[in-house]
Formats: sequence, structure tokens, C-alpha cells
Amino acid sequence: DQQVKQNSPSLSVQEGRISILNCDYTNSMFDYFLWYKKYPAEGPTFLISISSIKDKNEDGRFTVFLNKSAKHLSLHIVPSQPGDSAVYFCAAPRLTDSWGKLQFGAGTQVVVTP
Amino acid sequence: NAGVTQTPKFQVLKTGQSMTLQCAQDMNHNSMYWYRQDPGMGLRLIYYSASEGTTDKGEVPNGYNVSRLNKREFSLRLESAAPSQTSVYFCASSAQDANTGELFFGEGSRLTVL
Repeated sequence: DQQVKQNSPSLSVQEGRISILNCDYTNSMFDYFLWYKKYPAEGPTFLISISSIKDKNEDGRFTVFLNKSAKHLSLHIVPSQPGDSAVYFCAAPRLTDSWGKLQFGAGTQVVVTP
Repeated sequence: NAGVTQTPKFQVLKTGQSMTLQCAQDMNHNSMYWYRQDPGMGLRLIYYSASEGTTDKGEVPNGYNVSRLNKREFSLRLESAAPSQTSVYFCASSAQDANTGELFFGEGSRLTVL
């Protein structure tokens, strides 16, 4: 039962344009969300997070938007750069005593073309 | 700092063979995790350890055992490998009081079971 879903397996965007990655969740009890970035042959690295008490969190070129009523969040990358080419995972902590027990989406492969 | 170190990086096993994946972290983190990544599935939690001497099952624990040898080390053992265990395995750690779900991952161990 996948409670965090990324329905777009891949995204191609031109350098300098905006990348928009989408993530949907089914469990209304989730109250914290994270995005991880993964390059080939490396482990995922934390990118940005958002608490359910906010609807937007920004960190440099990366902004995450949360729409609780739609159970939807999105990651915006502006402007996209070639180094942003990676797989991006959306994740949420399971509702237990350990915040590191994450449920991950399937990931979206982003390719930024020159 | 090395962060999270996993060995081996690659391994090929025959069905029924056993092996242990090793993981060590040098960030003085209390919590450690083993995830597996499969195509189209994202990362799924196998086992985790909230602190030295404690372990607990995650989402997909069948066929695996773990040992939290000390605060630094958390190993994953496959007693009788099966082709369904072909995957990329990631060890991760987090500060127990972080309450953010931010994990620090190793580079991964690619396991093929023939």
C-alpha cells in the first residue's frame, strides 16, 4: 500500500526553465514531508522539507508547496541547471516513534538539457 | 568525515547463499536504518535501530536479520538469499532528536542473486 505517490517517472526540462515535480499522498495523518535527491551510484541526500503548518518552504532555487486539502505537494526548481539532473524522491515519516522511518515515492528522474 | 560507509559495494550471490552487508557511521547518530531500492518502488524500510541494542522491523523484513553491534555499526544479514532480494541496499543514520526525518545515506550496496 503505497501512501506516497509520484506518478511521473521522468521529466525533461531545458536549462534555465522551471522544473515542477509532483507528489500525492493518501494518508491525511502525514504532517511532514521531505524531498531527497539522488545521483547515480550515490545515496540519496536531503534536499528540502515542509511541515503541514506551512504551505510553502523555499531554499534558494528550490521551493516546495503543500496543498493539504488536495493531499498534494510539489517541488519547483528555478532555474533548472544541468547539475539538477538526478532522481528526486518525495517522502513522509511513518506515524510511529521514529521520524527516520520514511515512506518514499517511486521517484522522478529529472533530465536538464542544455 | 566519511559519514555512512557501506561494504561491499557490489556482490553477486547464488540462491541459498548467505552474506552480511556492513554499515558504519561516524556522526555519533543514535538511529540507523536499512532500506532497499527497487525499480518503480522507491526506497522501502527493511529494519531500523533506534539506539544501540535495539532493532525493529520495517516494511519488508522477511528474509533479513540485523545486528546493532555498537553505536557506529549496523549490519544486515541474508541467511538464504533469493532472487527477490536482488536490489540496491542503502544504510542510513539520523540523530534521534532531529525530529525532521532527515537521513544520511551511504552510497549503497548492489546485490544480485542468481
